[in-house]
Amino acid sequence: GQSLEQPSEVTAVEGAIVQINCTYQTSGFYGLSWYQQHDGGAPTFLSYNALDGLEETGRFSSFLSRSDSYGYLLLQELQMKDSASYFCAASNRDDKIIFGKGTRLHILP
Amino acid sequence: GAGVSQSPSNKVTEKGKDVELRCDPISGHTALYWYRQSLGQGLEFLIYFQGNSAPDKSGLPSDRFSAERTGGSVSTLTIQRTQQEDSAVYLCASSYGQAYYEQYFGPGTRLTVT
Repeated sequence: GQSLEQPSEVTAVEGAIVQINCTYQTSGFYGLSWYQQHDGGAPTFLSYNALDGLEETGRFSSFLSRSDSYGYLLLQELQMKDSASYFCAASNRDDKIIFGKGTRLHILP
Repeated sequence: GAGVSQSPSNKVTEKGKDVELRCDPISGHTALYWYRQSLGQGLEFLIYFQGNSAPDKSGLPSDRFSAERTGGSVSTLTIQRTQQEDSAVYLCASSYGQAYYEQYFGPGTRLTVT
């Protein structure tokens, strides 16, 4: 089967750095995406890793290790507006992506 | 419009009634996906359309669910004989070409079955 595991909740302090981990089990794996979803909103695409290593986009970075079936999203200089749910999603040869159950990020002032 | 649009934004229906949910993808996007999201949960894949190919219906939970995509653009998700467990937010997404990992989502339709 195909599955992704990520923590259900993470809490961090404003201005700090937080890492959200994701492990996956999927056949025909192509890459790992990350999406952000605010309460009541639609998911929005953040990043995609097809190759091992770190991809940086502003305050957000995403990492992939194919050999470990593992990735993470790193958020730096946390802002209150970053409070949201974050989903990792694995893409495979079926042209679909399978979403994890999401990590709810709580940010404390 | 520039983004994916869905209608209605909210739908309340009685158990046993049929409902139709509409999705208008971004112009030029060849792939269209339907997902279901229950409160506080992840996204459950329902169905996928790519160009003129036969849709991938592998995620549809029962034969009460069906979807079509006309002219390679607008899609309609139909739920027949709705049940209370069908209550959820139904999200539509589209993507361009082979970049299916980068999906653009509509605002969703919140379906409540009473």
